[in-house]
Amino acid sequence: AQSVTQLGSHVSVSEGALVLLRCNYSSSVPPYLFWYVQYPNQGLQLLLKYTTGATLVKGINGFEAEFKKSETSFHLTKPSAHMSDAAEYFCAVSDGGATNKLIFGTGTLLAVQP
Amino acid sequence: GAVVSQHPSRVICKSGTSVKIECRSLDFQATTMFWYRQFPKQSLMLMATSNEGSKATYEQGVEKDKFLINHASLTLSTLTVTSAHPEDSSFYICSVGFRGSRGYTFGSGTRLTVV
Repeated sequence: AQSVTQLGSHVSVSEGALVLLRCNYSSSVPPYLFWYVQYPNQGLQLLLKYTTGATLVKGINGFEAEFKKSETSFHLTKPSAHMSDAAEYFCAVSDGGATNKLIFGTGTLLAVQP
Repeated sequence: GAVVSQHPSRVICKSGTSVKIECRSLDFQATTMFWYRQFPKQSLMLMATSNEGSKATYEQGVEKDKFLINHASLTLSTLTVTSAHPEDSSFYICSVGFRGSRGYTFGSGTRLTVV
């Protein structure tokens, strides 16, 4: 079974500062890992994903994440926060095909201060 | 790319009535779809896996008699909330998952309010 833990339900950064959102996973098989963003009253938008290959994954809007198997982590970063980055971010894990279920973390609400 | 259409986007119903939510895959055939529920300011909780031509697989704690799922064709899955109560008010989202590295596509969600 898969599970995801997101440390920090709320993160606040200043505009221009580094964004770091933490995600740790648990999986009995090699995981597929995802980060999604959700703006208020909207659906989910995929930021990036890791399935196989290069462990540093670059996504949209300047976000990237690094898969670290030894640490069972998949933290999301962005060098410089913009006001438009304020949203809810979800880390998610799947087993890549056995059940193909996508399991979400509890989410991190990112606030960006001017 | 894969497109998933979910309808309606918003619905208000009276307590005790039933509501049907549709999830359509517009440009591909989906043998499996997933249904999630999201309460305000919370995460998405997987409710069930919808399987074309067979019974849905429900997650632990989800009432299968209350949340009826039908996946009668390769392009349509429906979720019916039966005898809705105010505590069923939530955001319901469907998804299609592709095997391998393609990932998932989500519908735009349905905001259900039971009054």
